[in-house]
Amino acid sequence: DADVTQTPRNRITKTGKRIMLECSQTKGHDRMYWYRQDPGLGLQLIYYSFDVKDINKGEISDGYSVSRQAQAKFSLSLESAIPNQTALYFCATSTRDTQYFGPGTRLTVL
Amino acid sequence: DAKTTQPPSMDCAEGRAANLPCNHSTISGNEYVYWYRQIHSQGPQYIIHGLKNNETNEMASLIITEDRKSSTLILPHATLRDTAVYYCIVRVASGTSYGKLTFGQGTILTVHP
Repeated sequence: DADVTQTPRNRITKTGKRIMLECSQTKGHDRMYWYRQDPGLGLQLIYYSFDVKDINKGEISDGYSVSRQAQAKFSLSLESAIPNQTALYFCATSTRDTQYFGPGTRLTVL
Repeated sequence: DAKTTQPPSMDCAEGRAANLPCNHSTISGNEYVYWYRQIHSQGPQYIIHGLKNNETNEMASLIITEDRKSSTLILPHATLRDTAVYYCIVRVASGTSYGKLTFGQGTILTVHP
């Protein structure tokens, strides 16, 4: 079984809809992250969390919110999706040194 | 975190060594060099990291120059499955920082038969 899982893997939605992307990990790491990637570009950090009670904004948090329900779960929400949020979204967990990424969620907002 | 510069693309023949360079002339004394790769639309994969000394693991070798201003990732026997975007990242190895990885444009490595 994969150490970092993301659901759904693909999602198509309409402008204005609320969307939740979920991430679970079995690695036992305290640190978790959400990134987005646009075609041909590097990853941009949306939010990160160092433990269940710790939530921090990244580079591009506007339009997004997160919830750290447990050590193993970190969810990303788009309260009112817009087309320029169409992207590939990655969740990651980390030790002090190394980040481990999930397989990604491809989100399309029409 | 220090900025890195990588060539946009490189080619390598299957079975040969792939040598991917990275410049990081503004690196600080407490910053590590990390390498990740991303195979098309998959999650980035950790490869290796180092501070001063050369490092080797089952995937690759990392050669860091003595002044630490540049480094080279070596895939000793490249295969078609090594075709990916390779990212060189310089950052403090956690502790005081929040461990954020700043991904640049990377190098597109194409391994051909």
